[in-house]
Amino acid sequence: QKEVEQNSGPLSVPEGAIASLNCTYSDRGSQSFFWYRQYSGKSPELIMFIYSNGDKEDGRFTAQLNKASQYVSLLIRDSQPSDSATYLCAVNTIDGGTSYGKLTFGQGTILTVHP
Amino acid sequence: ETGVTQTPRHLVMGMTNKKSLKCEQHLGHNAMYWYKQSAKKPLELMFVYNFKEQTENNSVPSRFSPECPNSSHLFLHLHTLQPEDSALYLCASSPPPGRDSYEQYFGPGTRLTVT
Repeated sequence: QKEVEQNSGPLSVPEGAIASLNCTYSDRGSQSFFWYRQYSGKSPELIMFIYSNGDKEDGRFTAQLNKASQYVSLLIRDSQPSDSATYLCAVNTIDGGTSYGKLTFGQGTILTVHP
Repeated sequence: ETGVTQTPRHLVMGMTNKKSLKCEQHLGHNAMYWYKQSAKKPLELMFVYNFKEQTENNSVPSRFSPECPNSSHLFLHLHTLQPEDSALYLCASSPPPGRDSYEQYFGPGTRLTVT
């Protein structure tokens, strides 16, 4: 069973702080990793994806990947109340060379940013 | 209309009814997916279609019947559902992958209640 684990939270941070969201995965062969944001009652929205070890930055968001430790994280700098949502980690668990992916999702971490 | 659309947005049906969910993507993607999202559980992949051919069926009960007439349209036909099938049903699509990316984009979902 290929698994993706996240701390369900809730994670509470003050406005302006750095929020750190973590995810571990069991399939060592996984190649690509995704972070989605889901507001209550809405569908998941893709924030970032990463497939190389190291950091990838996009605005206030930084994704970090460590394949040796099977660990991926998302940092949100200068957190805003509008960042309050559930953050879903997803891992592509299908072999490369296909023209479609197969994502396995974690249960999500609830983030609350308080003023 | 852009992105991934789903209709209806809300559906209430009895256990003896037959209904269909519709998904349409306007992104030129090749793959389309059905997911189920229940409270307190991770997103569950149900079906995958790639170039309108079914490539994944994640042990879904036969009361759920998918149909993909072309790469832009996906249906989920429902009959004799159970109350535990009440959930948010999400459609997603993905483009041919860039380097190991396989990112998926979600529609707004159909909130289904089975009475």
